[in-house]
Amino acid sequence: DAKTTQPPSMDCAEGRAANLPCNHSTISGNEYVYWYRQIHSQGPQYIIHGLKNNETNEMASLIITEDRKSSTLILPHATLRDTAVYYCIVRVPYGNNRLAFGKGNQVVVIP
Amino acid sequence: DAGVTQSPTHLIKTRGQQVTLRCSPKSGHDTVSWYQQALGQGPQFIFQYYEEEERQRGNFPDRFSGHQFPNYSSELNVNALLLGDSALYLCASGQGYGTEAFFGQGTRLTVV
Repeated sequence: DAKTTQPPSMDCAEGRAANLPCNHSTISGNEYVYWYRQIHSQGPQYIIHGLKNNETNEMASLIITEDRKSSTLILPHATLRDTAVYYCIVRVPYGNNRLAFGKGNQVVVIP
Repeated sequence: DAGVTQSPTHLIKTRGQQVTLRCSPKSGHDTVSWYQQALGQGPQFIFQYYEEEERQRGNFPDRFSGHQFPNYSSELNVNALLLGDSALYLCASGQGYGTEAFFGQGTRLTVV
């Protein structure tokens, strides 16, 4: 079962930063926060993951609160191609490949 | 690098029939997982194969079975198809146990 809560949908303006929230209040000490996205009719795509420190890669930044009960995925300059369903998942990365997807957050980037 | 490839891309079957879906993992990957995604829902974990053995299984009936071959490719078999088995079936591969999963484009199965 999914252990995260996300808004079902949100809009954001093209060219602006998109901040996608996720609550994971029951996260365990050894669980990481993973983000995937799924563009229509495609398979999910890995974005980023982190344990407790903020992380950044070429796609996005991940901000995890100090108590680790919530996080925010930041798309720095949203484009129309970022329109997708975004999934926030918590999991132990070693010895367990299972990804427990919820319904995700349908993000629509508006021109 | 071809990434994760799945075949066929689309399939239509009749209730009661059997179906086999195929997956070739990304080069260098040895772990394959299968997911079922119903319309409007997130993907649901079916099972995972590593070293040619089923390592983990989700809440799916025995009608769902699989196999992993020595070249790490995998098959998903579904027997006695039901209308409710209509979904997008996704394959994901990884290198070793617990690494980030890379997904294929999926097979769209329609049961009529």
